[in-house]
Amino acid sequence: DIQMTQSPSTLSASVGDRVTITCRASPTISISMFLAWYQQKPGKAPKLLISKASILESGVPSRFSGSGSGTEFTLTISSLQPDDFATYYCQQYSSYPLTFGGGTKVEIK
Amino acid sequence: EVQLLESGGGLVQPGGSLRLSCAASGFTFSDYAMSWVRQASGKGPEWVSIIYGGGSPYYADSVKGRFSISRDNFKNTFYLQMNSLRVEDTAVYYCAKAVGAAGTTWFDTWGQGTLVTVSS
Repeated sequence: DIQMTQSPSTLSASVGDRVTITCRASPTISISMFLAWYQQKPGKAPKLLISKASILESGVPSRFSGSGSGTEFTLTISSLQPDDFATYYCQQYSSYPLTFGGGTKVEIK
Repeated sequence: EVQLLESGGGLVQPGGSLRLSCAASGFTFSDYAMSWVRQASGKGPEWVSIIYGGGSPYYADSVKGRFSISRDNFKNTFYLQMNSLRVEDTAVYYCAKAVGAAGTTWFDTWGQGTLVTVSS
């Protein structure tokens, strides 16, 4: 199974900050760009933000971006907005079983 | 508008059974793989099972042999039959619409979730 490890687990930031979340895959994702990012708010279902490591889902603000391949991926929020305080998860879909990271909670500083 | 609506969750004793349903609308149901993903309190999501349009199912090892996924393309609904339930199966269960090629899928739409609690 491919294990997905996110860091940090919690991140405290202010509105306007640039925020970067890292997701590491072990072993490497064989189809190297097959990674998705989701945002989840309390009591709600996850919402797809990015697929194929860097493709923004329709309607997702352009302040979100994704990069990386193989074993290390990043989600960046260029200027944190009040609506962005949430938990973020990565998911690899290179092979079964599909696996998710443990999450990064973005909190208000 | 794409919508997914789960039902069937509840409280069940260890060893018991439950059947979850997910009604889909707003897209051509038979064209898409559909999946169940669960999330225990305070944890990340865990993929459970997926079924392709033609009916081929896949399962996580943690539920293989106990859970069974199925779909009815005429009713635009798919199901998760959960048998021999364990305390560790306690979670919110989400249904999700899968996109991508077979074997390499992510989830572009999720239901609101249904809580399954396994406890004596």
